[in-house]
This record gives sequence, C-alpha cells and structure tokens, in this order.
Amino acid sequence: EDQVTQSPEALRLQEGESSSLNCSYTVSGLRGLFWYRQDPGKGPEFLFTLYSAGEEKEKERLKATLTKKESFLHITAPKPEDSATYLCAVQANRGNTGNQFYFGTGTSLTVIP
Amino acid sequence: DSGVTQTPKHLITATGQRVTLRCSPRSGDLSVYWYQQSLDQGLQFLIQYYNGEERAKGNILERFSAQQFPDLHSELNLSSLELGDSALYFCASSVGPSPGELFFGEGSRLTVL
Repeated sequence: EDQVTQSPEALRLQEGESSSLNCSYTVSGLRGLFWYRQDPGKGPEFLFTLYSAGEEKEKERLKATLTKKESFLHITAPKPEDSATYLCAVQANRGNTGNQFYFGTGTSLTVIP
Repeated sequence: DSGVTQTPKHLITATGQRVTLRCSPRSGDLSVYWYQQSLDQGLQFLIQYYNGEERAKGNILERFSAQQFPDLHSELNLSSLELGDSALYFCASSVGPSPGELFFGEGSRLTVL
C-alpha cells in the first residue's frame, strides 16, 4: 500500500537551532517528491521538487534531500517566520487512474524567538 | 496570492443537503485538482481535471462529483452530506497534466451540522 509518513508530528525549536524533518515513503512508480509549506488557514505553498536519489535543492534556510526511501528537509538557523506545517508529497503513476499525488500528514514546526 | 480563487470561503449546512464549491485556476493553468483536508486525515486527493477532461481520480466518494467547464473553472458538488464531510476543501491548479508544482487556493471550509 502506498504510504507517506512524516516525522516528527510536531517540532519546537529555539530561533537559530537547526534541525531536520523526515518524510519516508513506500510508493512504487515514484515520479517525484515534493515539499510544501502550509500556514494556518491557508493553502499549501510549493517549496521543492526532487526527482532522483541524491538530488538536493536549497532555498534560503531550507535544504531538501532525497534518498531511495526518504527525504529530509533541513532547516538551518530557523527564524520565527519559518513556523508552519511542512508537507511532503509523492507523485506516483497509477496506470488507468492517472498520476496520483499522496500527501503526508505534515510536521508542525514552531520556532520560538 | 497564488492566483487560485475558491468560493465560498465558509459554508455551514445540514446533513442530507447538497453544496457546490467553485474554483477558478491561475491564468494559463489547464489542470484543476480537488483535495479534502481534515484534522485526522491530512490532504486527500479527490480528483483532477485537465482541459475539461477527467485526468486522475483519488478517493472521491460516489456522493461527490466534479466538472471543469470550457472557461477552465471547476465545481465540486457534494451531496447527501454527512457529518464526516466537514473539512477544508482545497482546489489547486497546474499548467500541465501532471501534478507537481501545484498552486493552491485558500480553501472552502465546510461545516455539516
């Protein structure tokens, strides 16, 4: 069964305290892994796409990496404005039902000043 | 602002009723996706339309239906509503037929009493 699991469910960091969020997946026919940020009451906002193991993408204080079974979102020296829920999603080809897009349940990050 | 517009923002109705949610994609995007987000289930993919045709189908209930019109806006119809249908319903759009960098609207919050 296709599954996307994110850990931890919630993370509290002091401002400047670096850490990593994990996204593990069991999906056959992976076409890509995506990271989104979601603020309360808002729709998710696209951050990164990763297509193959070993690939890395960076944006400001965020860096996403991908292996064959999981992805990490590294947050370096976070600031309070980085507080949000971070969602991981995988795209898999499902034949006659088309490309399916599975989201994890997210990691709620709180950065304390 | 993602450029995706959803209406209404909030909707309160009773069990057994029928509602219609509306979505206008970003200018130039041909794909529209519908997602349901509840507290215990995360973002669940419902259905995708590409240029007026159904492209991919997720866990959409038979009581739910959607369509995409020639002007590319989409409607999600929810009928015979149950308490468990209470959730945030997001619409997203993308340029091409494959999901990936999705642009999400602000969502429609449905409360079924």
